[in-house]
Amino acid sequence: NAGVTQTPKFQVLKTGQSMTLQCAQDMNHNSMYWYRQDPGMGLRLIYYSASEGTTDKGEVPNGYNVSRLNKREFSLRLESAAPSQTSVYFCASSEVPVGVGQPQHFGDGTRLSIL
Amino acid sequence: AQKVTQVQTEISVVEKEDVTLDCVYETRDTTYYLFWYKQPPSGELVFLIRRNSFDEQNEISGRYSWNFQKSTSSFNFTITASQVVDSAVYFCALRNALTGGGNKLTFGTGTQLKVEL
Repeated sequence: NAGVTQTPKFQVLKTGQSMTLQCAQDMNHNSMYWYRQDPGMGLRLIYYSASEGTTDKGEVPNGYNVSRLNKREFSLRLESAAPSQTSVYFCASSEVPVGVGQPQHFGDGTRLSIL
Repeated sequence: AQKVTQVQTEISVVEKEDVTLDCVYETRDTTYYLFWYKQPPSGELVFLIRRNSFDEQNEISGRYSWNFQKSTSSFNFTITASQVVDSAVYFCALRNALTGGGNKLTFGTGTQLKVEL
């Protein structure tokens, strides 16, 4: 029972390099999310996908792009990595897009360092 | 706009002590949901509880209990007889029920709980 799977778990990039973080969920959830976690700032929403075929900006979308490849997969891309994007990235999914406040289920995170 | 405030950045207790983690929220909506998540040292985020805004009953689950008070916009979390395994960062989060376009959560900045022997 995998839940939400993120790859890779760790990555070091040089400034200017590009990278795609992968996320897949096996719970048949409609909605998926990408967050970043920085010390003292909690989790901040980067992008989300309420349902397959839709994506929307969250609180801190600059420097990122996303693709909802299918219902299972939601990827996050850094086109030109910057040191300010050094963070721990979490993918999450939830059962319904609106209404009943279903909890989000999180992956184990990707620790990304940009030199 | 909505906001979640966890003023306690770090709390240290000795095992078996009781500890309360505070959470204060701001929202203009009358219908909303509150959550607590636990992040142990291993890094994953574990869902603990969800509370609806129209249900102010307190909840107890083993050593964990939650006190929801709409009058003070607070959703506090108490661990009774703390154990070393409770050491983690705890996040409080808010979702407005009527916000369209996704089940978006607003997180507090977290409280680091350290339980020592």
